[in-house]
Amino acid sequence: GQQVMQIPQYQHVQEGEDFTTYCNSSTTLSNIQWYKQRPGGHPVFLIQLVKSGEVKKQKRLTFQFGEAKKNSSLHITATQTTDVGTYFCINFNKFYFGSGTKLNVKP
Amino acid sequence: EPEVTQTPSHQVTQMGQEVILRCVPISNHLYFYWYRQILGQKVEFLVSFYNNEISEKSEIFDDQFSVERPDGSNFTLKIRSTKLEDSAMYFCASTPGPSGTGELFFGEGSRLTVL
Repeated sequence: GQQVMQIPQYQHVQEGEDFTTYCNSSTTLSNIQWYKQRPGGHPVFLIQLVKSGEVKKQKRLTFQFGEAKKNSSLHITATQTTDVGTYFCINFNKFYFGSGTKLNVKP
Repeated sequence: EPEVTQTPSHQVTQMGQEVILRCVPISNHLYFYWYRQILGQKVEFLVSFYNNEISEKSEIFDDQFSVERPDGSNFTLKIRSTKLEDSAMYFCASTPGPSGTGELFFGEGSRLTVL
């Protein structure tokens, strides 16, 4: 199946620091979705990006879709302990989740 | 708010036994999915289901797996002869429309432990 790679695999930040996770594909993505999974929980939808170069914001979260539609990023400004979890990107047309970035926020 | 429900929340079984995991998707959704997540690893796609048939499946979804919609509400995943490596969290998900048109709504998951 089509693979989307995510980096980094883990990120430990101090509360208040920023955080970014990247999703990369070797082929063009028709769309990309981002999900968050809290420890012990299930994936929860955050956003879907469809257009080349698209940027969407949700409070402290900024999502970008690359111009070539081969990569995407999620940036969190001023992390809080409630941001702890694993963030996954998914090329939903192909159902396959990225490997995820596990975020730990130290208070 | 409508939600996907899964039962059981946790099942422990002996290797070689059959297991059925049950899901009730959101009522007006038409597309159903099973994913699994081995502890600490990524979420892996197993199968998608629409109009009473499998629309796509991954390499993981081999002959020991089957899915069924036995009535108008339930969507089940059967593992015929469980192996140790089947131990994982199994998530059911549903969407109102086809892939790429909206978000996946996930259930809380069923944790399967194979001894």
